[in-house]
This record gives sequence, structure tokens and C-alpha cells, in this order.
Amino acid sequence: KNQVEQSPQSLIILEGKNCTLQCNYTVSPFSNLRWYKQDTGRGPVSLTIMTFSENTKSNGRYTATLDADTKQSSLHITASQLSDSASYICVVSSTDSWGKFQFGAGTQVVVTP
Amino acid sequence: EAQVTQNPRYLITVTGKKLTVTCSQNMNHEYMSWYRQDPGLGLRQIYYSMNVEVTDKGDVPEGYKVSRKEKRNFPLILESPSPNQTSLYFCASSPGVGVEQFFGPGTRLTVL
Repeated sequence: KNQVEQSPQSLIILEGKNCTLQCNYTVSPFSNLRWYKQDTGRGPVSLTIMTFSENTKSNGRYTATLDADTKQSSLHITASQLSDSASYICVVSSTDSWGKFQFGAGTQVVVTP
Repeated sequence: EAQVTQNPRYLITVTGKKLTVTCSQNMNHEYMSWYRQDPGLGLRQIYYSMNVEVTDKGDVPEGYKVSRKEKRNFPLILESPSPNQTSLYFCASSPGVGVEQFFGPGTRLTVL
């Protein structure tokens, strides 16, 4: 069973609107959680990295939150743009396995004019 | 320009014909890793390296080999490729484990 579950699988939003993506994980003991953006056919690009003690981190119009107690994270996209159309991937690592990463399957976001 | 490069970018081969996918980074990063990406499964880690001569298995190492003889290079070797290794492969590097990883452009491999 995948230790990192993302929802929804996909979503379509209108340009200018906000949206929130979810990530639930069971990886333990927790080290850090990352959000990546992946454009079609390209390598992922890092958006945020959060450790246990951080519960929010922003990168421009992207804001990630982390609740390490409930093992949940969210990525909020504000005032979406057409260039936000991409797959968003949640990645979690454990202090038990330095160097290993568990990936979610991603949420495909399509922003329409 | 700081980057991770992979070669080739596209490869079609036949079952059993040994191949190597190269990965090189020019950022003096200690950590490097290989991933494969398949539809519906997301990215899965194949092998990683914490430094020169230090490599370890990820979640899906079967059928793959790696080596890290120099800091900048981390080749992925398929000794006897099979059709189930048809996938999109990504190499990544980072200064350490707890920081941002930089991904290469990907190698699309088809094994017939």
C-alpha cells in the first residue's frame, strides 16, 4: 500500500480561482514533506520543503501546510494561472531511511481560461 | 548553468540488450538518485547515492545496477532489459538529503 496518498486525482479550475490539494501519509518516523510541480514531459521542480516543526510555508502563490499529528498536508494555489496546469506531487521521507523518498501519485491540475 | 543532464533522452531497445543511461550534475552535489515514473504509479525510487562509492537500494531496484565512481556521475545500468522496464526515468541530485532535489529532463525508455 502506498504510504503517500493524494487527492483529488485530478481537478479542473477556472483561471483566477483558488484550489487546494491534499496529501495524507503514513510514513513514520517523519523527516520532511515536499511538494513538487511537474509539467508534462519534464522533471519535477521543488515548490516547498517542510520539516516536523513547520506548519506552513509559501512560495509565491503556492502555500503548503503540514499537520504532523494527523499526518496531513495541503497545497493551496492562489489566483491560479494557465501556467499552473501541471501535476503536483507530494513526497515524504523518514528519519529511519536517509536518502529514501516516498512519492504520491500526484494530482493533475488543469487551469482553463 | 547549474543542471542535471541525462543521456540519451529517448531510447528504444530490445529485450536483453545491455544499456546504460548516464546522469551528470555540475553542482558538486553529494546526493544523487534514480527514479522511474509510470502512469498511475507516480515516481518510484530505484537507487540512490549519498556520496562517492556509497549507493543503496530504493523501492524498485530489481533489474538495475548503479555505480558512483565520481561525484558528478551516476549511471543507471540495465544488464538485461525487459519490457516491464519500459518507463520514464529521472535522475536527481541535491547538496544533501534534507534539501531541495534538482531533477534531470528525463529519459524515455522503450524495451521491445
